[in-house]
Parts: sequence; structure tokens; C-alpha cells
Amino acid sequence: QKEVEQDPGPLSVPEGAIVSLNCTYSNSAFQYFMWYRQYSRKGPELLMYTYSSGNKEDGRFTAQVDKSSKYISLFIRDSQPSDSATYLCALIKAAGNKLTFGGGTRVLVKP
Amino acid sequence: NAGVMQNPRHLVRRRGQEARLRCSPMKGHSHVYWYRQLPEEGLKFMVYLQKENIIDESGMPKERFSAEFPKEGPSILRIQQVVRGDSAAYFCASSPGLAPSTDTQYFGPGTRLTVL
Repeated sequence: QKEVEQDPGPLSVPEGAIVSLNCTYSNSAFQYFMWYRQYSRKGPELLMYTYSSGNKEDGRFTAQVDKSSKYISLFIRDSQPSDSATYLCALIKAAGNKLTFGGGTRVLVKP
Repeated sequence: NAGVMQNPRHLVRRRGQEARLRCSPMKGHSHVYWYRQLPEEGLKFMVYLQKENIIDESGMPKERFSAEFPKEGPSILRIQQVVRGDSAAYFCASSPGLAPSTDTQYFGPGTRLTVL
């Protein structure tokens, strides 16, 4: 069983819709949670970083963490065609140093 | 402020040759991480280095792979006697090294290695 599970998609939505992405994890040692965006043939780009249960908002992006359920989410409001990319969740254990990634969800926002 | 730089961006090698991948961290960053992204798979951690030290190499294959981050110059990921299964995108990330668990890791554009 993978440490971090993420639905690979693809997730296709119309422009302006809310995109909902999530990851589940099995190890409660994970304490820091990130979402990266990766365009085709590019490096991952950090979108959101959270470390406590609850919501964190930044512009059109909201990250949600539920440590009791070992479940993290990313919501993208008012989605644009430029949001079409692969979204990766990444987790770090307390006192750790390496990112453990989910497999990524491919998102396609259609104009 | 230039981001993380990797070169070459594309590298083609024949089976049995050596591949050397270079990574220059962001200015002011002293910690470097290497990750590998195999086709249809997620990013997997390989190794974590500080200047002149390997801190964690738990993700490195036991044979043929090595990494260094010298006092001067870029970090190098070296793959000896490449095989077709080494074909992948190799990403380098850097961080300032203030607190590894909470530092943001900034990624480079990657090197795509193709082994013929």
C-alpha cells in the first residue's frame, strides 16, 4: 500500500467551475502538507503549504487538512484553462526532510 | 533571483554509458534534494545533500547511483552504466536549510534522461 494515495484522474471541468482534489495518507507521522502544480514537462511549483488541521486560503486556492481522517484537499475556485496541469500533494514527516508525493491528479479545464 | 537550474535539460545515453546531471540551487540555498519521476509514476525521493555532506540517501538505488554537492560548484547526480529502466525525469530541489521539515523546497525544470 502506498503511503500517499491520490486519484490520477483525469479530472475534466468547465471553465469557472470549482476543482476539488484530495489525497489520503496512512502514516500519522506526516505533519506538513503541500500542494504542487506541475505543467507538462516542467518542474513542480509550490501552491500551498499547511501544517495544521483546518483551512488555509490563498487567492483562488484553499487547502484543507483533516489530520484525524488523514485526508487533505485542495480547492480551486473560478478555474481557468491555465489551471490545466497535474496537481501533486506532498507530505513531510515531523523532523523529516524528504517530500513523499502522491501520484498526481491531472486536471483539464475546458474553455 | 534565478531559480534552481538544471542541466542538461535533455540527455540521451546508450546502455552502459555514464550520465551526469547537474543542479545549481537557488542563491542562498545550501540544501539540495534529488527526486526521480518515472513514466506514469509520481516523484520519488532519492537523496538529500548539504555542502560536502550526504544527509539522507535512503532513496538511492544501491548500485550505479551516486550524488555529491561539493563546496564549490553544482550538485551532481551520477549514474554509471545506465540501463533502460533509468529513463526518467530527474528533478533537483533546493531549500535554505533553516529547518528541513518546514523549509519550502523549490524545484528545477528537471533533466529528462533517455537511455537507448
